[in-house]
Amino acid sequence: GQQVMEIPQYQHVQEGEDFTTYCNSSTTLSNIQWYKQRPGGHPVFLIQLVKSGEVKKQKRLTFQFGEAKKNSSLHITATQTTDVGTYFCAGPKGSNYQLIWGAGTKLIIKP
Amino acid sequence: NAGVMQNPRHLVRRRGQEARLRCSPMKGHSHVYWYRQLPEEGLKFMVYLQKENIIDESGMPKERFSAEFPKEGPSILRIQQVVRGDSAAYFCASSPGRRNTEAFFGQGTRLTVV
Repeated sequence: GQQVMEIPQYQHVQEGEDFTTYCNSSTTLSNIQWYKQRPGGHPVFLIQLVKSGEVKKQKRLTFQFGEAKKNSSLHITATQTTDVGTYFCAGPKGSNYQLIWGAGTKLIIKP
Repeated sequence: NAGVMQNPRHLVRRRGQEARLRCSPMKGHSHVYWYRQLPEEGLKFMVYLQKENIIDESGMPKERFSAEFPKEGPSILRIQQVVRGDSAAYFCASSPGRRNTEAFFGQGTRLTVV
């Protein structure tokens, strides 16, 4: 069936280093969404990308949607401790717009 | 505009009891998703509902688990005869159901089976 996957599963970085996670879909997506879940918290919507090749920025976060609309990336510049958490991508499946989720990339900041 | 409300936030049940988890979607949202999450793991899809209809329940065990989203009132996820393996965080999310629209999550119900 249709799948969405984030790579890598875990990423350890020193505070101040950059971080990138990638999202790959087995099928073309009409849009892709990114969410962040802090430890002990619930997923929170970050952004939605719709257009092929779209790039959006939120302060230190840069999101990109691939030209073929089958992959996406999230890049964080100069990570801070507040960036710790798990980053999920999700895409709609079928005509009912049900979201399909990846397992997430866990960002860990090394002390 | 209140967000997605889940209650209770924490629920402790003995093995064999029933657990009822409630989710009130955001105002104007007619689509509800239920997810289960074990510690250090991702979100596992359980069921997708629209008002009075189950659209997709492929992620929900066929025995002991049921879900509903009535015309009036919150969506309910019911787990009968709970076992220790049911202990997890259960998240509900709602969306308007239109295309290109994000899901809003509740704070979750942490179920502990003792």
